[in-house]
Amino acid sequence: DAGITQSPRYKITETGRQVTLMCHQTWSHSYMFWYRQDLGHGLRLIYYSAAADITDKGEVPDGYVVSRSKTENFPLTLESATRSQTSVYFCASCKGPNGGYEQYFGPGTRLTVT
Amino acid sequence: QKEVEQDPGPLSVPEGAIVSLNCTYSNSAFQYFMWYRQYSRKGPELLMYTYSSGNKEDGRFTAQVDKSSKYISLFIRDSQPSDSATYLCAMSAKTGNQFYFGTGTSLTVIP
Repeated sequence: DAGITQSPRYKITETGRQVTLMCHQTWSHSYMFWYRQDLGHGLRLIYYSAAADITDKGEVPDGYVVSRSKTENFPLTLESATRSQTSVYFCASCKGPNGGYEQYFGPGTRLTVT
Repeated sequence: QKEVEQDPGPLSVPEGAIVSLNCTYSNSAFQYFMWYRQYSRKGPELLMYTYSSGNKEDGRFTAQVDKSSKYISLFIRDSQPSDSATYLCAMSAKTGNQFYFGTGTSLTVIP
């Protein structure tokens, strides 16, 4: 039972480069989420998705793009990476309506933008 | 004002102590309340999940929700060194699609 996985686990990139972080879940959960975690700010929601082809902005969406063509995948793209996007990124999922809203997290991707 | 406030600690207790972790919130619409444990360089792990008010117990862990005071607590009985981690509270309104997290309390249990 793989659960929720993220790749890569570590990434170093240069300012201005495009970077895509992958998230895959095997539970068929309806909802998926992307968070970033920074010291002093805790977890902040970037984007979330209620189902395939349905996405919505969270608290800090600027500079990020998401897509969800399949229920199990929810990639996050930084179109032109900036140093302020250096962070730890977590993907999460939950069943949603009629199934519960408790979120389960992946192991995280540690991204450094130089 | 932040949606959720959590004392960052750090909190240091001897093994076997009872630990009390707390969060306050401002949005009276919050209905779902969760506690997560996060070890260093790992993803948050769901500990407790409560809908609306009341208490919930699971082994050494008890979660309490007081909606009238907008206050939630997590109690850890007989604390163990393996409980040393950062504890995050999280909460959401009825739709459940956006959760708000506290910044986390760092706990160290000393053997």
